[in-house]
Amino acid sequence: QQQVKQSPQSLIVQKGGISIINCAYENTAFDYFPWYQQFPGKGPALLIAIRPDVSEKKEGRFTISFNKSAKQFSLHIMDSQPGDSATYFCAAIAGGSQGNLIFGKGTKLSVKP
Amino acid sequence: DSGVTQTPKHLITATGQRVTLRCSPRSGDLSVYWYQQSLDQGLQFLIQYYNGEERAKGNILERFSAQQFPDLHSELNLSSLELGDSALYFCASSATPGGETQYFGPGTRLLVL
Repeated sequence: QQQVKQSPQSLIVQKGGISIINCAYENTAFDYFPWYQQFPGKGPALLIAIRPDVSEKKEGRFTISFNKSAKQFSLHIMDSQPGDSATYFCAAIAGGSQGNLIFGKGTKLSVKP
Repeated sequence: DSGVTQTPKHLITATGQRVTLRCSPRSGDLSVYWYQQSLDQGLQFLIQYYNGEERAKGNILERFSAQQFPDLHSELNLSSLELGDSALYFCASSATPGGETQYFGPGTRLLVL
């Protein structure tokens, strides 16, 4: 019930291509879905987030698509660049006073020049 | 830079020992969260404090404890350390107890030999 399942585990994309990472959840109490980007040796950094009342959110080259009925959401990175090479984590959180993020296992993205 | 600071950056110790990890949240943030990141378990929530009080507990072992001080900095105490405790420990902070937008520190890498 508390899990967030993320795929793929790793992804190799050519420069300029589209990177797509998928996540699925079960707990319908989740109402906020952030994506975090983590570079080696660094802490996770908030990239973009979405609430279930919208189907898509775009910030620059990063887009979240959200399918509430399927309980799935995905991150699309357009025009992927070598500097985007990092590990990406989807997460979910349920509203209320307890604010612990539930993370997916992560996707290691490599963008080849 | 997220504004969250953690010390030390690296820690090497022996089994059976006790260590203390320190976290200073972003200025004005009242909530502090501790997460453990390991290769096999991913990012796991340990415990949350809000304005000095424990707010939520996750997969935190009984050998681990935490507290948040009046100046809002937090410490995570790990005792009777085992090899399996070797991991990255992250602190995050947010302005509210709901914690939707959490900012992560750079982490403490703990190696138990």
